[in-house]
Amino acid sequence: NAGVMQNPRHLVRRRGQEARLRCSPMKGHSHVYWYRQLPEEGLKFMVYLQKENIIDESGMPKERFSAEFPKEGPSILRIQQVVRGDSAAYFCASSPGQIGYGYTFGSGTRLTVV
Amino acid sequence: DQQVKQNSPSLSVQEGRISILNCDYTNSMFDYFLWYKKYPAEGPTFLISISSIKDKNEDGRFTVFLNKSAKHLSLHIVPSQPGDSAVYFCAANHNAGGTSYGKLTFGQGTILTVHP
Repeated sequence: NAGVMQNPRHLVRRRGQEARLRCSPMKGHSHVYWYRQLPEEGLKFMVYLQKENIIDESGMPKERFSAEFPKEGPSILRIQQVVRGDSAAYFCASSPGQIGYGYTFGSGTRLTVV
Repeated sequence: DQQVKQNSPSLSVQEGRISILNCDYTNSMFDYFLWYKKYPAEGPTFLISISSIKDKNEDGRFTVFLNKSAKHLSLHIVPSQPGDSAVYFCAANHNAGGTSYGKLTFGQGTILTVHP
């Protein structure tokens, strides 16, 4: 039973390019959460999605960031026109239901903007 | 607005001794608390949790204590082992409207180093 799979593990983008981060939840999990960790900081909640629905995007920056969790396929976090300040580790977590306690994190995608 | 704070960036402990990691929170709506362990280049791994209706929860070498009046929780690791060396995050959750909702608010983390 594979855990939460995130790819790519490392992503380098030039300023102004688009970054796409993918998250495949654990089998049977229909709830996905995205977090961002800036250097020397804790993880910050970005967005909570269920299949085909955004439940809570209160942590998403208002511009350039979007997320989806389609009926088929992985959840995607998309960052348009990346800037240096977007450089961070992005973690995805999944859970089987709204009971999120002890839910499972992926290994993260480290985004570097040059 | 840092609602969950870990004021000690690092802690160094001798193998076999007790490690005590501390966490403070400001939001009185938080009613569930978790501790995560994180190694470099990996995602956080769940360690132990506690509901606000309890003041202690124990799992093997790990015990979490909750002091609601002080809005403070701590993680005790006894005995500490070199393999415990990692970054430890506390996190808090608000059970909105009776439905457990998996949005977590994290502290900044404490780097624990256990020396052989």
